[in-house]
Amino acid sequence: KAGVTQTPRYLIKTRGQQVTLSCSPISGHRSVSWYQQTPGQGLQFLFEYFSETQRNKGNFPGRFSGRQFSNSRSEMNVSTLELGDSALYLCASSEGTSLKVDTQYFGPGTRLTVL
Amino acid sequence: AQSVTQLGSHVSVSEGALVLLRCNYSSSVPPYLFWYVQYPNQGLQLLLKYTSAATLVKGINGFEAEFKKSETSFHLTKPSAHMSDAAEYFCAVSPGSGNTGKLIFGQGTTLQVKP
Repeated sequence: KAGVTQTPRYLIKTRGQQVTLSCSPISGHRSVSWYQQTPGQGLQFLFEYFSETQRNKGNFPGRFSGRQFSNSRSEMNVSTLELGDSALYLCASSEGTSLKVDTQYFGPGTRLTVL
Repeated sequence: AQSVTQLGSHVSVSEGALVLLRCNYSSSVPPYLFWYVQYPNQGLQLLLKYTSAATLVKGINGFEAEFKKSETSFHLTKPSAHMSDAAEYFCAVSPGSGNTGKLIFGQGTTLQVKP
């Protein structure tokens, strides 16, 4: 099976702009989670989508949003970009259907630079 | 609340030497624990996971980890380091007993392997 793919891999934006990142999960996986990775804060959970519904959310401002489509592909959007939003954004997919904890498989990430 | 602490942000070993990366967790319920590795400019790759089936968990690339409830630890070891093991390693815990799509990560440990 193909792994998790993320597009674009690199992105440069300026403050105040908005950005949309895309994630295609492993075929058959219905859960998609998003993480932000920065040198200072490390890896932080943004949110998780399962069957087109946000099932869990981290402690990020409302400028960070996401959605999931019927084919399980997911997008995350960041509005009114700030310099501090510069980070590697990682997407992870898992089966998501069982009551036990699934393994999350990560994509290569999108490197966002805000100038 | 669940948390993970990785002792030592940077570990340096000689090629062929034992690798020991430390991880302690805090969890109010039996935890699910993971070790991931991240190579430069890549996403996270799962090394191994603990799901209460066995306290000694074997993973890929010769790594293993032992769950010790009395010490709340899940240290990662490899008997003999290879140059290709140089990377950043993350310990993670899944909060709760159900599937939340959320992982809480430690701050990471960079492993340097000297020839």
